[in-house]
Amino acid sequence: DIQMTQSPSSLSASVGDRVTITCRASQNIGRYLNWFQQKPGKAPKLLIYTTSSLQIGVPSRFSGSGSETDFTLTISSLQREDIATYYCQQNNSTPYIFGQGTKLEIK
Amino acid sequence: EVQLVESGGGLIQPGGSLRLSCAASGLSVMTNYMTWVRQAPGKGLEWVSVIYAGGSTNYADSVTGRFTISRDYSKNTVDLQMKSLRDEDTAMYYCASGKTWLSSWGQGTLVTVSS
Repeated sequence: DIQMTQSPSSLSASVGDRVTITCRASQNIGRYLNWFQQKPGKAPKLLIYTTSSLQIGVPSRFSGSGSETDFTLTISSLQREDIATYYCQQNNSTPYIFGQGTKLEIK
Repeated sequence: EVQLVESGGGLIQPGGSLRLSCAASGLSVMTNYMTWVRQAPGKGLEWVSVIYAGGSTNYADSVTGRFTISRDYSKNTVDLQMKSLRDEDTAMYYCASGKTWLSSWGQGTLVTVSS
């Protein structure tokens, strides 16, 4: 099975900061990498699919990049409403493993 | 607009069985992939199962042989039959699909396995 490793596991940043979360796959997954945002008590929400495609309705301050085994989610200017846990997930091959999550907090 | 609504969760004893259902509107369960994802209390997301448009299925190692995913054309639902339930199956279970990968999620249904 492909393993997905996110870093950091938690992150504290200030409003307006540029925030970067990384996700590493244990083998080549091409560009089959997606990013989700989950707020407490809510279902996850798709932010980015296929590495860099922004889901409709998601603010443009979110972006994704990478390929093969190394991927990045960037928030260009952190807003208070971005406080959540972020997950990567590969859909190159089953099982479609999620990363362990990155909890983002306001400093 | 795609809407997914899960039902069937509840309290069940270890070793018991439970059937979850996901009712879809705005998309056909017969022509789209449908997935189940779960989240244990305070933990991360765990992919559970998928049924593709062609009818093929896949499962996480942790549920293989115990869970079965299926779909009903007449009701436009996808079900997850769960057997031999264990304490570690306690979780919120989400149904997810969409025109882009997992772009639509239900609100979840809670399964608690406990004696």
